[in-house]
Amino acid sequence: GQQVMQIPQYQHVQEGEDFTTYCNSSTTLSNIQWYKQRPGGHPVFLIQLVKSGEVKKQKRLTFQFGEAKKNSSLHITATQTTDVGTYFCGVGRGTYKYIFGTGTRLKVLA
Amino acid sequence: GAVVSQHPSRVICKSGTSVKIECRSLDFQATTMFWYRQFPKQSLMLMATSNEGSKATYEQGVEKDKFLINHASLTLSTLTVTSAHPEDSSFYICSARDLGGKFTDTQYFGPGTRLTVL
Repeated sequence: GQQVMQIPQYQHVQEGEDFTTYCNSSTTLSNIQWYKQRPGGHPVFLIQLVKSGEVKKQKRLTFQFGEAKKNSSLHITATQTTDVGTYFCGVGRGTYKYIFGTGTRLKVLA
Repeated sequence: GAVVSQHPSRVICKSGTSVKIECRSLDFQATTMFWYRQFPKQSLMLMATSNEGSKATYEQGVEKDKFLINHASLTLSTLTVTSAHPEDSSFYICSARDLGGKFTDTQYFGPGTRLTVL
């Protein structure tokens, strides 16, 4: 079945450093979503990418959808302690449901 | 934005008892809700899709007789963990799609229910 892998699994960065997580699918995707889950919290929707090669920015966050629509990346510029959490990509499967990537846990050291 | 609530937020029960978890969409109607389970430091695993007015669709490997789902109205879905055992201890999260939202595929998650079975 469809698998969604994220790398890296963990990332520790010094505050101010950049961070990138990658999401890779074994099949072509219609769209991809990114979520952030703070420790002890629930996933919160960040963005949805639909078009091949699409790039969207939210302040220090840059999201990119691959040309082949099989991979995506989330880049955070100059991380802050508030960026701590686990970042998941979500991909549609079938008409309605979504499956989630394995997640990348980010820790920011002050 | 769309709000989804879950109740209870935390429950501790004895082995063999049944536990009901409610998921409500507070400011929108959700014909479809989803139930996920998340073990510590792991990703969310989709358990089932809850459809209003019809039977839930379960993912492979999820026992439908153990995890009973009822989607009684457009704003409420319930998950009942029957005859719970310690291995059922987990974080259960529901989500709902807001078809009237800007992003039609966006899922809004409830705050989750932490179940501990002794």
